[in-house]
Amino acid sequence: AQSVTQLDSHVSVSEGTPVLLRCNYSSSYSPSLFWYVQHPNKGLQLLLKYTSAATLVKGINGFEAEFKKSETSFHLTKPSAHMSDAAEYFCVVRFRDTGRRALTFGSGTRLQVQP
Amino acid sequence: DAEITQSPRHKITETGRQVTLACHQTWNHNNMFWYRQDLGHGLRLIHYSYGVQDTNKGEVSDGYSVSRSNTEDLPLTLESAASSQTSVYFCASSSSGDSTDTQYFGPGTRLTVL
Repeated sequence: AQSVTQLDSHVSVSEGTPVLLRCNYSSSYSPSLFWYVQHPNKGLQLLLKYTSAATLVKGINGFEAEFKKSETSFHLTKPSAHMSDAAEYFCVVRFRDTGRRALTFGSGTRLQVQP
Repeated sequence: DAEITQSPRHKITETGRQVTLACHQTWNHNNMFWYRQDLGHGLRLIHYSYGVQDTNKGEVSDGYSVSRSNTEDLPLTLESAASSQTSVYFCASSSSGDSTDTQYFGPGTRLTVL
């Protein structure tokens, strides 16, 4: 079955320390992969996307994600957290073995940044 | 700049009433989607459309309907609102020409059914 799993519902880091948000997916085919961010009471903003051109994807605000096919993972990282990074982050997958263009969302990871 | 808008941003209604949430995009995208967001569930797909006169059911379509009479709009109707439909609703769109199917989201509508 196709699924997206965000391994941590909450992550807390100190300002200036690295961020790691984990995501695994289950699919027989290479999907399109995305990370979206949602700040409190706001809509969803695209952080980055994997398009099969390169396994390391750079996004906005210093975030990166690495696609690892063997591990079916697409973890999100940032070298140094900033207070403004506090938000909800969603790993999102477009499964290519269906004819449907809709996205499947993980349940989200809430990132807290402590001063 | 192209954008996607939703209205109203906040709505309070009573059980049993019909409610329509508007979604309007100026991207000229063929594909449009409605999701609901609830704690612990991420976003779940309600309905989607690949073009004018095309509509399809998503995973949580019971109690909802959509119609697509033009490219720009995909209104979502709750036929008879229920308390279980209290949620935040997001509309999104994507281009048929984008092989990655990147979706762009509206700001959301917070609906409360009393």
